[in-house]
Amino acid sequence: NAGVTQTPKFQVLKTGQSMTLQCAQDMNHNSMYWYRQDPGMGLRLIYYSASEGTTDKGEVPNGYNVSRLNKREFSLRLESAAPSQTSVYFCASTGTSNTEAFFGQGTRLTVV
Amino acid sequence: QKEVEQNSGPLSVPEGAIASLNCTYSDRGSQSFFWYRQYSGKSPELIMSIYSNGDKEDGRFTAQLNKASQYVSLLIRDSQPSDSATYLCAVNPGGGNKLTFGTGTQLKVEL
Repeated sequence: NAGVTQTPKFQVLKTGQSMTLQCAQDMNHNSMYWYRQDPGMGLRLIYYSASEGTTDKGEVPNGYNVSRLNKREFSLRLESAAPSQTSVYFCASTGTSNTEAFFGQGTRLTVV
Repeated sequence: QKEVEQNSGPLSVPEGAIASLNCTYSDRGSQSFFWYRQYSGKSPELIMSIYSNGDKEDGRFTAQLNKASQYVSLLIRDSQPSDSATYLCAVNPGGGNKLTFGTGTQLKVEL
């Protein structure tokens, strides 16, 4: 049982490049989330998907897009990377609003 | 006002002492409250969840919730060096699916 799988684990981009972070869960969870974590800032919600076919903005959505491809997969796209997007990105999923969130192992992204 | 607020610390306690971590939240409709522990370079992992007013105990950990004061806390008894980590408070505002985290409190347990 893999839980939540994120790829890649590490990535270096040049300013202006694009990339997609992939996330998949095998727990049949309805809700999925993308967070970024910066020193002293905690986990900030970028986008979330309460169920298949729906997505909503979180606290810091600017510069990002998401796709809930199916119930298992939720991807995060950076269309034109900026140094301010250098961060650690976490994907998470929950079965319902009252249950534990499971996290992927994180993606450390550096934009130069 | 941020939706979930925590003191960033660091909070330093001697080994064997009680560590007390606090969190306040802004949405009175919040129904689900969680404490996560995060070691440096690792993903957050759930320690406690609490949904109703009062105390909930699990081993050395006790979560306390006071909805009237919009306050949730985590007590760690007999603190160990292995408890040294960042503790994140998380809330589902309005009982929905927008799981929101505080900035975390760094705990250091000293020998």
